[in-house]
This record gives sequence, C-alpha cells and structure tokens, in this order.
Amino acid sequence: DQQVKQNSPSLSVQEGRISILNCDYTNSMFDYFLWYKKYPAEGPTFLISISSIKDKNEDGRFTVFLNKSAKHLSLHIVPSQPGDSAVYFCAAASGTYKYIFGTGTRLKVLA
Amino acid sequence: DAGITQSPRHKVTETGTPVTLRCHQTENHRYMYWYRQDPGHGLRLIHYSYGVKDTDKGEVSDGYSVSRSKTEDFLLTLESATSSQTSVYFCAISTSGGAADTQYFGPGTRLTVL
Repeated sequence: DQQVKQNSPSLSVQEGRISILNCDYTNSMFDYFLWYKKYPAEGPTFLISISSIKDKNEDGRFTVFLNKSAKHLSLHIVPSQPGDSAVYFCAAASGTYKYIFGTGTRLKVLA
Repeated sequence: DAGITQSPRHKVTETGTPVTLRCHQTENHRYMYWYRQDPGHGLRLIHYSYGVKDTDKGEVSDGYSVSRSKTEDFLLTLESATSSQTSVYFCAISTSGGAADTQYFGPGTRLTVL
C-alpha cells in the first residue's frame, strides 16, 4: 500500500518555464513533508520542507504547496533551469524520523 | 555537504555470500539510517540507529542486520545475499529523530547479487 504517491514518473519542461511536481498521500497523520532532489550516481539532497501547520513554503526558486484537505502537495520550480534536471522524491513523516518516500519524478529541463 | 562516506561504492557478489556495507560520518550525528532504493518503490528504510549499540528495524529489515560500535560508523550486513537484495543502498544521518530534523544522505552503494 503506497502511502505516498508520485503519479508522474517523468516530466519535461522548457528552460525558463515553471515545473510543477505533484505528490499525493493517504495517511492523514503525516505532519511533515519534504522534497529531495537526486542526480545520477549521487545520494538524495534535501531541497525544501513544509510542516502541516503551513500551506506554503518558499526558498528561492522553489515553493512547496500543501493542500491538507486534498492530501496533496506540489513543488513549483520557477524559472526552471537545465541544472534542475534530476529525480525528485517527495517524502512524508508523522512526527518522527520515519520518512515514507514516493517513487520519484524524473524532471528534464530542456534548453 | 554533510560528511558521509559509503564503502564500497560498487560491489558485485554471488548469491549466498555475506556482504557488509559501511557508512562513515564525520558530523557526530546521533541518528543513522540505511535505506534501499529500487525502481517503483522509492527509498525504503531498512534499519536505523539512535546511538552506539542502539538499533532498530525499519520497513524492510528481513535479511539484513546492522551494527554500530562507534558514533561515526554504521554497518549493514547481508548474511547470505540473495538476488532480491540487488539494489542501491543509501546511508543517511540526522542529529535527532524528529521529522523536522532533516536527514542527509551519503552517495550510495550499488550492490549486484548474481
């Protein structure tokens, strides 16, 4: 039973445009959400996070939106750059270190 | 970058052989984790440690054991490797066990069991 789902395995976006990556979850006890970025042959690197008491968190070009009623979060990257091409994982947790990861979305930013 | 190294980075072994993967950190973080990454599954927690000699099971612990005799080292052992354990293994660290305490990942070990 996949508690965290990333239904789009891949996404292609033109450089300079907005990239929107989506993530759905089923467990209403999750109270903390994270996005990680992963390049080939490297470990995941932390990108941005959001607590369930918020509905938006921004960090430079990256914004995460949380819709608790829909159990949905999204990562917006504006403007997208070729260096953003990577696999993006969302993760969710309920108060502890036990992160539940989605299966990832491969983003390709076209120059 | 968090000071996390994993060794070996690549390993090919045969079914039934024991394998030990090492994670070494220079950050003095209390919590350490072992994950595996497989297509269609994302990252799944195998075991974690919340201090020297303190370890517990994660989501997919069958067939794996761990040991932590020093703060900086966390070992993952496959007592008798099987082809289903072919995967990429990542170590992670965090200062505490809270959800908001970001986990930082090592570069990974690609293990192939023939």
